[in-house]
Amino acid sequence: ETGVTQTPRHLVMGMTNKKSLKCEQHLGHNAMYWYKQSAKKPLELMFVYNFKEQTENNSVPSRFSPECPNSSHLFLHLHTLQPEDSALYLCASSQLKGGDEKLFFGSGTQLSVL
Amino acid sequence: ELKVEQNPLFLSMQEGKNYTIYCNYSTTSDRLYWYRQDPGKSLESLFVLLSNGAVKQEGRLMASLDTKARLSTLHITAAVHDLSATYFCAVDLSLYSSASKIIFGSGTRLSIRP
Repeated sequence: ETGVTQTPRHLVMGMTNKKSLKCEQHLGHNAMYWYKQSAKKPLELMFVYNFKEQTENNSVPSRFSPECPNSSHLFLHLHTLQPEDSALYLCASSQLKGGDEKLFFGSGTQLSVL
Repeated sequence: ELKVEQNPLFLSMQEGKNYTIYCNYSTTSDRLYWYRQDPGKSLESLFVLLSNGAVKQEGRLMASLDTKARLSTLHITAAVHDLSATYFCAVDLSLYSSASKIIFGSGTRLSIRP
């Protein structure tokens, strides 16, 4: 248990659906991240939030919409996705300026887009 | 463009042997990380290397960093089956900013056979 909880663990959705991924961290960290892990590419950084403010949007299509209401919660809202968006979506958190700033990852949401 | 390159990408080795995984990166960074991922699981932090010449060891794994050469190595000593996993190196680009931007290599899939 890393202290970062993601739900759901698995999600199957159609291209016209709207769904949301949820991440919660219990570590008191001040930064949260979304990464995408697909079979054919390295882990891709999608979004970074620092003290609830988005500091990085790594050219992610607008069909992915992040939300960070507070430093413990992070959402990824999904709409009109494409089959190539099927992947494992990993949430992570870290403590900035507090030491080594290593990432603590959740277990991920395995997303399948039909 | 930042590149984080690992080699080899796949490694099959016998128990009891030694081997090294290499991680080259193309831009200045003051933090390098090694992570482990077991099949179907999330990523687990192994090492954080914060300075040139840093060396860290945990059990049969030892990581080192040469910031001048932009090279890190993960050395496996007397491999055992339990070390079979995918190993990722990651580089933090946020030298002067307040937020982490951690970019991952493609991973090295390590398989250790009896």
